Amino acid sequence: DTAVSQTPKYLVTQMGNDKSIKCEQNLGHDTMYWYKQDSKKFLKIMFSYNNKELIINETVPNRFSPKSPDKAHLNLHINSLELGDSAVYFCASSQGTSGSVEQYFGPGTRLTVT
Amino acid sequence: DAKTTQPNSMESNEEEPVHLPCNHSTISGTDYIHWYRQLPSQGPEYVIHGLTSNVNNRMASLAIAEDRKSSTLILHRATLRDAAVYYCILRDIRGSSNTGKLIFGQGTTLQVKP
Repeated sequence: DTAVSQTPKYLVTQMGNDKSIKCEQNLGHDTMYWYKQDSKKFLKIMFSYNNKELIINETVPNRFSPKSPDKAHLNLHINSLELGDSAVYFCASSQGTSGSVEQYFGPGTRLTVT
Repeated sequence: DAKTTQPNSMESNEEEPVHLPCNHSTISGTDYIHWYRQLPSQGPEYVIHGLTSNVNNRMASLAIAEDRKSSTLILHRATLRDAAVYYCILRDIRGSSNTGKLIFGQGTTLQVKP
């Protein structure tokens, strides 16, 4: 069973479109994250949700809107896509936010904006 | 979270041990030392973490210096599948002010030669 899954795996779209990426975890965790990995392979946190409440928004443009319908799901909706949004987006989860716990990552969604 | 310093790249031969170093001279008493790795085209994967004592698990060992200002991830027998980027990350027990986020550096790219 896949612990953290994301759909779609690949997403190719044009500038100006709106798209969503979905994430689900079956680990029973209460905290979920979105990370972005740019073309230089630099990984950076975007959002964190704990018990369906937003606890981090790392100066991400408001075109990006995360939504957590329940503790097992964290979706990412992106409006008015721009070329610079092309990246790999990773979802992750953990049990709590303590520094002593590990995070589990999904396989990533490669977004290409043309 | 305190900063870590890792070599940009290392090489190893297959079936030999690999010692991946990490310096963290500004570590605080409440920082856990975490290691993650990212295999090509995959999401980051938790490897191991520790606080003060050396730790072993099925994937690797973590050796922590007595003053905690450095640590070493040890892969006992490198395989081709271990070729990845390895990240050493410090995480305060409070989880970066209870946000839980991981702060990734550039990591060490490990090449394993057959």
